[in-house]
Amino acid sequence: RKEVEQDPGPFNVPEGATVAFNCTYSNSASQSFFWYRQDCRKEPKLLMSVYSSGNEDGRFTAQLNRASQYISLLIRDSKLSDSATYLCVVTRQGGYNKLIFGAGTRLAVHP
Amino acid sequence: ETGVTQSPTHLIKTRGQQVTLRCSSQSGHNTVSWYQQALGQGPQFIFQYYREEENGRGNFPPRFSGLQFPNYSSELNVNALELDDSALYLCASSLGTGETQYFGPGTRLLVL
Repeated sequence: RKEVEQDPGPFNVPEGATVAFNCTYSNSASQSFFWYRQDCRKEPKLLMSVYSSGNEDGRFTAQLNRASQYISLLIRDSKLSDSATYLCVVTRQGGYNKLIFGAGTRLAVHP
Repeated sequence: ETGVTQSPTHLIKTRGQQVTLRCSSQSGHNTVSWYQQALGQGPQFIFQYYREEENGRGNFPPRFSGLQFPNYSSELNVNALELDDSALYLCASSLGTGETQYFGPGTRLLVL
């Protein structure tokens, strides 16, 4: 079983739709949590960090449930430019900061 | 842009050959991490270098080795290439070992 599991996707949604991505992690020692965005044939870019209290950045809302080891990302009012792969990422406490990625969920927003 | 650069952008090699990939970290960053991303997968951690020393390693065989230079740029070397080594190789630099990692554009390696 992979340490970080994500919805397989792809998600095909019309512009303006609300879409939610889910992610679970298996290691309770996981310390920090992130969503990265990766465009086709490009490098991953940090979208947002995820906190237990939940956090919002414009149209994007991220939630963390430590008890259930579950992370979510909600995108409201989807834009064509949101089309990308969304990667769920955790790190573990230790001497170095190793990012552990899920396989990603692809989002395609159509007109 | 993150200021992290990688070279070359693309590379084609044959099985058994050796390859060296290069990464220049963002100014002021002393930590470089390397990741391998196979098609359809998330990046997998290879190793991290901090101030010229290996500071952690993922589940990769010894034929994957690295180096960090005094200016904090880094190299990833892969010996005895296998077909499964075909992937996007990403480096990420950070201000320290626990700080946010910024990725370079990657090197796409194809092993035939």
